[in-house]
Amino acid sequence: EADIYQTPRYLVIGTGKKITLECSQTMGHDKMYWYQQDPGMELHLIHYSYGVNSTEKGDLSSESTVSRIRTEHFPLTLESARPSHTSQYLCASSEDDTLVDSPLHFGNGTRLTVT
Amino acid sequence: AQSVSQHNHHVILSEAASLELGCNYSYGGTVNLFWYVQYPGQHLQLLLKYFSGDPLVKGIKGFEAEFIKSKFSFNLRKPSVQWSDTAEYFCAVNLMDSSYKLIFGSGTRLLVRP
Repeated sequence: EADIYQTPRYLVIGTGKKITLECSQTMGHDKMYWYQQDPGMELHLIHYSYGVNSTEKGDLSSESTVSRIRTEHFPLTLESARPSHTSQYLCASSEDDTLVDSPLHFGNGTRLTVT
Repeated sequence: AQSVSQHNHHVILSEAASLELGCNYSYGGTVNLFWYVQYPGQHLQLLLKYFSGDPLVKGIKGFEAEFIKSKFSFNLRKPSVQWSDTAEYFCAVNLMDSSYKLIFGSGTRLLVRP
């Protein structure tokens, strides 16, 4: 079972709406990540954080923003959703950035559809 | 740019058949290597990992993978698959430079027929 929780699991919204995808973990991990995944494609890192008040952009350019005010919480926000944002968003966390001693733990994902 | 290639996007096997899923990466530096699995309706979870030592690593559920540095490969194998192995398998490479980025392949969807 997952110790990392994402809500909502599914979301269908109209263009132009502001949305926040929630991600929380109960493991006390400092490292947290957001990946974007389209069917049949790689998972692309869009944001990551190494701890409270730390946020960095990943490899894939994204119009979303993130915040890390608390260790356990790493929400992702889209100010104005567009159909091109339709995708699956996966949140993950780890205790160790080398992933040697602590693997990446994933949430169940949020499947977003923007109409 | 660094990348991870998984050669087979879809694989269909009968139970008891042998499995080998290919994974190649493009990065000349030190790497840690992983295979993740996603069973239907579940989250991604770690299957096995390599970071040093014996290049043949064993994971859960009878899976193993071999790191061949000269070929930049980390293929996943299982001698005899079961219906319950039906899942999507992702190869991932952690670049052991200052960025510690984990780069994923596009995944292989495995269907095992009973």
